[in-house]
Amino acid sequence: GAVVSQHPSWVICKSGTSVKIECRSLDFQATTMFWYRQFPKQSLMLMATSNEGSKATYEQGVEKDKFLINHASLTLSTLTVTSAHPEDSSFYICSARDREDYEQYFGPGTRLTVT
Amino acid sequence: GQNIDQPTEMTATEGAIVQINCTYQTSGFNGLFWYQQHAGEAPTFLSYNVLDGLEEKGRFSSFLSRSKGYSYLLLKELQMKDSASYLCAVTDSNYQLIWGAGTKLIIKP
Repeated sequence: GAVVSQHPSWVICKSGTSVKIECRSLDFQATTMFWYRQFPKQSLMLMATSNEGSKATYEQGVEKDKFLINHASLTLSTLTVTSAHPEDSSFYICSARDREDYEQYFGPGTRLTVT
Repeated sequence: GQNIDQPTEMTATEGAIVQINCTYQTSGFNGLFWYQQHAGEAPTFLSYNVLDGLEEKGRFSSFLSRSKGYSYLLLKELQMKDSASYLCAVTDSNYQLIWGAGTKLIIKP
């Protein structure tokens, strides 16, 4: 089946630094990738949708200059959290969908802790 | 606006059956998903319904009525490992996934 990986699985960083999270589709071409954020005991919140080769579409309330998304190839999307603050601490999950499929395949998630 | 409703929490007994309901109001409909999510983990796919009726997959079944904007997930022969959150999500006319808040299912021995 379709496999999506994320790296790193967890990261601790200091306030003010930047963190990059990678999302890769391992056995299919992901024309669309989605980035979600999930706070404890809450549902998934879509942050942005990215299509290969074009700029990401951000959801209302998500700062595009703070959460930089790059979908440079059909198998890789990156999310960079710039100038991280403790309130950015969350579980970040990516998902990917190929043009032939209706389903989104989820990565295992990245737990970010900003100290 | 777009809205998906499901109960916040449910409790059931090991070995029993539980039905988790989901109602939706979205701009267009291109399918409904059920996902299972254990604490601290990403969601995992359970089922997909795009036509009315019941889809059975082992101990889990999912039902859809498009005219009523309604779905349910049925879990049989409950096991302790089924304790998790169950997320209902609908694909709208733009093929965007609209997520429910999830139902936390607690299984008691």
